Amino acid sequence: DAGITQSPRYKITETGRQVTLMCHQTWSHSYMFWYRQDLGHGLRLIYYSAAADITDKGEVSDGYVVSRSKTENFPLTLESATRSQTSVYFCASRAVSRSHEQYFGPGTRLTVT
Amino acid sequence: DAKTTQPNSMESNEEEPVHLPCNHSTISGTDYIHWYRQLPSQGPEYVIHGLTSNVNNRMASLAIAEDRKSSTLILHRATLRDAAVYYCILRGSTGNQFYFGTGTSLTVIP
Repeated sequence: DAGITQSPRYKITETGRQVTLMCHQTWSHSYMFWYRQDLGHGLRLIYYSAAADITDKGEVSDGYVVSRSKTENFPLTLESATRSQTSVYFCASRAVSRSHEQYFGPGTRLTVT
Repeated sequence: DAKTTQPNSMESNEEEPVHLPCNHSTISGTDYIHWYRQLPSQGPEYVIHGLTSNVNNRMASLAIAEDRKSSTLILHRATLRDAAVYYCILRGSTGNQFYFGTGTSLTVIP
């Protein structure tokens, strides 16, 4: 289906484990973003990517790693999960020519026990 | 980065207009004003944006004060499906980062 999808939608993991959240978009958008949303904080940017193999840190990047080998995929990895990374994670994408309009995925709810 | 201030919550009756305010007294000349909304259990969605002039689209209208220190998102006829958290966000013309605050939670009363 066209659009932006995230997987898994729900994930429970233990402290110290590595976990990867997947994001896939079918629009061939150049830009992709990862946000986390916690109560009382709104959404905060973790990482973004302007194109394949080009990534940059956002406001809260510590503890996260991203890669972007293909335009359509932008996985987010928590190398050693901590309880403070329990959150809802949203992926977004946008076209180069439409910098004001980001399209968001449905989110992944991650719980770290 | 310039900050925005929004009321935590607002209520509106169904089928009536809604005016959602946003204050941004430290806005710079190149900052665009964006509005996104987030329906329950969904990701945010783009609503509208503007720089200086008022803007209209199929979803809403954006009224920008002459001094640009405040703006108002106008939903012309609220429906139950408009119940969401509405975020007012500033971003420069070349920036890639949106800074979402906590937004305004809109309740629509049938």
